[in-house]
Amino acid sequence: DGGITQSPKYLFRKEGQNVTLSCEQNLNHDAMYWYRQDPGQGLRLIYYSQIVNDFQKGDIAEGYSVSREKKESFPLTVTSAQKNPTAFYLCASSFREHTEAFFGQGTRLTVV
Amino acid sequence: QKEVEQDPGPLSVPEGAIVSLNCTYSNSAFQYFMWYRQYSRKGPELLMYTYSSGNKEDGRFTAQVDKSSKYISLFIRDSQPSDSATYLCAMRNSGYSTLTFGKGTMLLVSP
Repeated sequence: DGGITQSPKYLFRKEGQNVTLSCEQNLNHDAMYWYRQDPGQGLRLIYYSQIVNDFQKGDIAEGYSVSREKKESFPLTVTSAQKNPTAFYLCASSFREHTEAFFGQGTRLTVV
Repeated sequence: QKEVEQDPGPLSVPEGAIVSLNCTYSNSAFQYFMWYRQYSRKGPELLMYTYSSGNKEDGRFTAQVDKSSKYISLFIRDSQPSDSATYLCAMRNSGYSTLTFGKGTMLLVSP
């Protein structure tokens, strides 16, 4: 089945540790996105990528890093510089930049 | 003024009711409009995708766009308890741009 797979579903990390969230899609989509969702805040864009080996910062990129070495994969690293990393992280992809986006099931990150 | 405004709710209705969910926006350049449904602790699921003004119907769902008023709506007919979720509107410009989301409206449909 085509879709977007995020793993793991739940992730716990100690404060000060970097952590990488996985996002893989088999939809042959060009564009991929990372969002953060907090209660009452809606979805906020962290990073996005239109093509392989290229990505741009979104609205809240500080403390995060990404790579896009393959079309299918867009991992997100939450670094120790991110002040409040506990959140629900959503990965999405779209065929082209102006078409609809499809989401994965999310990763809930808890930093203790 | 925020780019996209959406009442957070919760909106509580009895089963079988017609539900109207709405978003207003300020950026007249928005051309593509989407509605997503998000169940608790799940990723958003695309419900409707429309371009420019007009109506689009899919089963019990109708999406309406009024660009002159900068107002979009999602109507749900014969609402079911399984429709209980948060509904997010999203929109973007033509050409390359990222999605701008509303904060979502929580809908509760009671049996």
